[in-house]
Amino acid sequence: NAGVMQNPRHLVRRRGQEARLRCSPMKGHSHVYWYRQLPEEGLKFMVYLQKENIIDESGMPKERFSAEFPKEGPSILRIQQVVRGDSAAYFCASSPGTMNTGELFFGEGSRLTVL
Amino acid sequence: AQSVAQPEDQVKVAEGNPLTVKCTYSVSGNPYLFWYVQYPNRGLQFLLKYITGDNLVKGSYGFEAEFNKSQTSFHLKKPSALVSDSALYFCAVRPYSGAGSYQLTFGKGTKLSVIP
Repeated sequence: NAGVMQNPRHLVRRRGQEARLRCSPMKGHSHVYWYRQLPEEGLKFMVYLQKENIIDESGMPKERFSAEFPKEGPSILRIQQVVRGDSAAYFCASSPGTMNTGELFFGEGSRLTVL
Repeated sequence: AQSVAQPEDQVKVAEGNPLTVKCTYSVSGNPYLFWYVQYPNRGLQFLLKYITGDNLVKGSYGFEAEFNKSQTSFHLKKPSALVSDSALYFCAVRPYSGAGSYQLTFGKGTKLSVIP
C-alpha cells in the first residue's frame, strides 16, 4: 500500500538544533501539502508545493522554516534553530494534481518534541 | 478567508445510539466540504465529502453528512454508533474556486467517545 510516507515518525531535538522532516507522496501524486497540528488544535496549513516549485507558503513562519520538493526524492520540511513552541505533529498530504474535487491523502505524521 | 467551527470539543454517546458531530463553515462562494477521522497517533483518514448534488452524502464506515446551505452546516451523522468509532473528527472546507481554493481549512476537531 504505497500511501503517503513520512519519516521520522518521532523526532526529539534540543533547542537550537535543526529538524528535517521528510515526505514521500503517494505514487502518481505530484502535489504536496504540509500541515502542523499543535496539541488540542486542528491542522493548520503551512505550505503547498509541486515538484521544484513552492506554490503557496503563506502558512509558514517567516523565519527558521523552509520547505522543498526536489525533482528527485521526497519533500523536506526544515526547521532551523528549533524552539519549544515548534513541538507539534507535522503532517504531509498529497494529491494527484490540483485538488479539483478530490480529497487530500495524509501521512501518519512526524511528531517533533523540542527539549 | 474560510473558516470552520466545530462547537463541541467532545461528544459522548452510548453504543447503538445515533450520533451527530456538528460543523459550521464560512467560505466565499460555493464550498467543498470534508470530514476526516484521526485515531490516536495516526494520520487523518478521509470519511466523506460534499462537492455538489444531493445534500445527504454517504461515506465510509456507515457515516453520512448533511449539507445545509442556508445554515452553512455540514453535520456528521451515524444511525448506530460503535465503540470503534471513538476517535477525533475533523471537518474541513475549501472554496470552489479563487484564492485559497487548494487550502483545506480544518476545524479544531471533536473528540467522539462511544460508551459500551
